[in-house]
Parts: sequence; C-alpha cells; structure tokens
Amino acid sequence: EPEVTQTPSHQVTQMGQEVILRCVPISNHLYFYWYRQILGQKVEFLVSFYNNEISEKSEIFDDQFSVERPDGSNFTLKIRSTKLEDSAMYFCASSLLRGENIQYFGAGTRLSVL
Amino acid sequence: ILNVEQSPQSLHVQEGDSTNFTCSFPSSNFYALHWYRWETAKSPEALFVMTLNGDEKKKGQISATLNTKEGYSYLYIKGSQPEDSATYLCAFMSNAGNMLTFGGGTRLMVKP
Repeated sequence: EPEVTQTPSHQVTQMGQEVILRCVPISNHLYFYWYRQILGQKVEFLVSFYNNEISEKSEIFDDQFSVERPDGSNFTLKIRSTKLEDSAMYFCASSLLRGENIQYFGAGTRLSVL
Repeated sequence: ILNVEQSPQSLHVQEGDSTNFTCSFPSSNFYALHWYRWETAKSPEALFVMTLNGDEKKKGQISATLNTKEGYSYLYIKGSQPEDSATYLCAFMSNAGNMLTFGGGTRLMVKP
C-alpha cells in the first residue's frame, strides 16, 4: 500500500540553526500538509499546500517556517532559525483531494532543539 | 479557536472487553470528522471519515457514530484484543478549510 515517508526519523540541532524536514507524499496526491505535536500536547496544524502554493496556514506558521515542493516527489518544511520551543514531532500528510478525503500521515520526524 | 476534546484520556481494559470513547467537537461549521489509530513510532492510520449526521461506520470490530447537531462522535471496539492497544485520535474539519483540528487522543491499553 502506498505510504507517506519522512526523513530523518530523528533530527537533533542547535538553537539558531536551520533545519529541513523531508517528506515524500503518496505519488498521485495533490494536497500536502505539515502538522506537529509538542510532547504532551495535541497534534496541531501548521500548513497546507496545493498547486505549488500555500492554501492555508496556522498562526504557528510564521516567517521562520517555509514549505517547498522542489521536484515532483518531495515536500519539505524548513525552519530558518530553530528555537527550543520548536522541539516536537513533525508529521507530513497528503490527500488526493480536499474535504472528506483521507489525509495519509507519515511516521513523523522528531526534532530536538538543544 | 476550535475545541476538540476526547475522553477518557486513557483506558485500561482486559482482552475481550468491549469499550467506547468520545470525541466532542464544535456543532457549527461542521464538514467532516476523522478517526485515526496511532501506534507509537508508526504513522497514524485512518479509520473513518464521517460526514453525515447519524452516520455509522464499521471496520472489523471497530465502529463509530456521529452526531453533528450536538457535536459528538463515539468510537466502539467490540471484544478488544491486545493488538488494539494504541492511541485513538479524532480530528474535526470545518467547512472553512482543509485543516484538521485534533483532540488529545484516548490511549487504550488492552491486557491479555
């Protein structure tokens, strides 16, 4: 069964460094998402992406964050200058269509900012 | 700010027990309610997407109901097995967009 893959599974970085989290969505999907879960808190929406542009973003998704689909397969989340509070599990998801279509999730990248 | 709540936070049951948990969500601007099953270190797995008031969906021994007028959904597991141990997440989608707003999850542990 097709799946969303995320790399790396765990990323450790120093505060102030840039990180890029990578995702390969399901190949025929058109909508792409990033969510995150800070330890002990709920899963939170960050951003959705369609037709090579951001379609929705939350208040969390400020100027420090950016997303890109650099080629036909990868979808990346960049954090420009990481802060301690960016430590979280970051999930990528994709869906074929919007609305009631299932969003398929990857297993996540655990980001630890020291 | 949308509020999606799940109860209980955690649940310990014996193998063979049936169990249920609740997801409450805003009753206005409803579009869909998603249920996911999430095992540690794995991808959250979609169980159901529910859109219509009164909807009931079933997958094996797991079923779910939806009441959009009062803003709640129940997930039922009949005859729990140890392999059902996981965190069950519900997520609300409004008619304003594509984002999912998650509840805090119910962590189910089934003892053999």
